[in-house]
Amino acid sequence: GENVEQHPSTLSVQEGDSAVIKCTYSDSASNYFPWYKQELGKGPQLIIDIRSNVGEKKDQRIAVTLNKTAKHFSLHITETQPEDSAVYFCAAISNTGNQFYFGTGTSLTVIP
Amino acid sequence: ETGVTQTPRHLVMGMTNKKSLKCEQHLGHNAMYWYKQSAKKPLELMFVYSLEERVENNSVPSRFSPECPNSSHLFLHLHTLQPEDSALYLCASSQDRVRGEAFFGQGTRLTVV
Repeated sequence: GENVEQHPSTLSVQEGDSAVIKCTYSDSASNYFPWYKQELGKGPQLIIDIRSNVGEKKDQRIAVTLNKTAKHFSLHITETQPEDSAVYFCAAISNTGNQFYFGTGTSLTVIP
Repeated sequence: ETGVTQTPRHLVMGMTNKKSLKCEQHLGHNAMYWYKQSAKKPLELMFVYSLEERVENNSVPSRFSPECPNSSHLFLHLHTLQPEDSALYLCASSQDRVRGEAFFGQGTRLTVV
């Protein structure tokens, strides 16, 4: 089965700095990689995703990169703001579509 | 608001009680999921339903019993739970099993006493 590792588990940055969260996966059949943001008391919310035929995707201050050869993908948040503080989860989805493997989460704190 | 609604938001139950968690999605999706979220652990997929048919069951104890009466509603029936079952239970839906864009509800925080 798939094994998704996520690092770091906690991350503190100053407001305005960048934050990077990294995930690795083991199953080469994984072809879809979403990132979720979970705020306190809420369910995870999809913030950005990338498919295996793309190397990079950007949406305003958020970007995701994928290295299929090395089997790792990363979330980049630039110009961080206090409202970016949350737990972020990566996931890898198999090409059969019914297996979601999640990382253990990164608790991001943006210090004003 | 993600279009996936879970009730109740919080639930405290004794080990001999029977209760049910409810999930409803208004997105026209065909696949629904139950996840368990425990502290310091990855999200654990419990059940997958596609077009009201259960297609995945990750060896979940029989004290958890899912029900999917139609493509918009999903239940998780609970009975004789253990304290270690205390967790956040999340419902999610997606257009179908193949597409990965899953939308989550806010979860039910379950405490077993």
